[in-house]
Amino acid sequence: KAGVTQTPRYLIKTRGQQVTLSCSPISGHRSVSWYQQTPGQGLQFLFEYFSETQRNKGNFPGRFSGRQFSNSRSEMNVSTLELGDSALYLCASSRTSGGAYETQYFGPGTRLLVL
Amino acid sequence: EDKVVQSPLSLVVHEGDTVTLNCSYEVTNFRSLLWYKQEKKAPTFLFMLTSSGIEKKSGRLSSILDKKELSSILNITATQTGDSAIYLCAVEYAGGTSYGKLTFGQGTILTVHP
Repeated sequence: KAGVTQTPRYLIKTRGQQVTLSCSPISGHRSVSWYQQTPGQGLQFLFEYFSETQRNKGNFPGRFSGRQFSNSRSEMNVSTLELGDSALYLCASSRTSGGAYETQYFGPGTRLLVL
Repeated sequence: EDKVVQSPLSLVVHEGDTVTLNCSYEVTNFRSLLWYKQEKKAPTFLFMLTSSGIEKKSGRLSSILDKKELSSILNITATQTGDSAIYLCAVEYAGGTSYGKLTFGQGTILTVHP
C-alpha cells in the first residue's frame, strides 16, 4: 500500500506571497490532519479534515486554511506569507478519527522557506 | 493547558547501550499515547499505548504506559547507529471535540556512536 504523499517537497517563497501544499492520504483513509514543525515550537496541530469537512482547528491565524476533496486528498493554503511560516509542513492520514484507536501515518512533509 | 514533556531532550550513547526515553503528559480527555521515530522527514509510527497498561514490543524496542504516573517510557536495547533519530511522543484525545489532533512533546534526539 502506498504511503502518504505530499507535494511539493520543497518550496521557496517571499513574504506576502501565498502557497498551496497538497497531501494524498493512504488509500482508504478519510481523515487528514496537518501539522507545522519548527525547531522552536516542535510539531503543532493545524487542522483536520474528514469527508470534506474541517472538524478541528489548532491555534493558528486565519491565513492558514485548508480543504479536502471527495477522494480524501487535502490541500492547505497559507496566504500573506511571513518569515515565521518557514517550517516543515506534515500531513498525516488515518482511516477515521475520534471514534476509535486509529493511528496517524505521516507523509514526508513539504519544507517551506519564506525569504 | 495540555502538556506533553519528554526527557531527556538529547542523549548520546554508544552502540550496544540500552536507553530509556521518558514522556509525561497532563491532558484532558486522554485516549492514547503514541511514539514516533523521525529520522529525516516523516515521523514513522512505533507504538500506540492505551490505559490498558499492556506493554508493546517490537524487536529491540519496547514501551509501556503508566496511567497512574501519567507517563510512558520507550526502551531501546542493544542500540545501533540506525537508531539515531528524534523520538517523539504524542497524545491522542477522546471525545468528539479533538478530531485528528495529536499533541506532541519536544522530542528526544538520540545519537548512537559506533
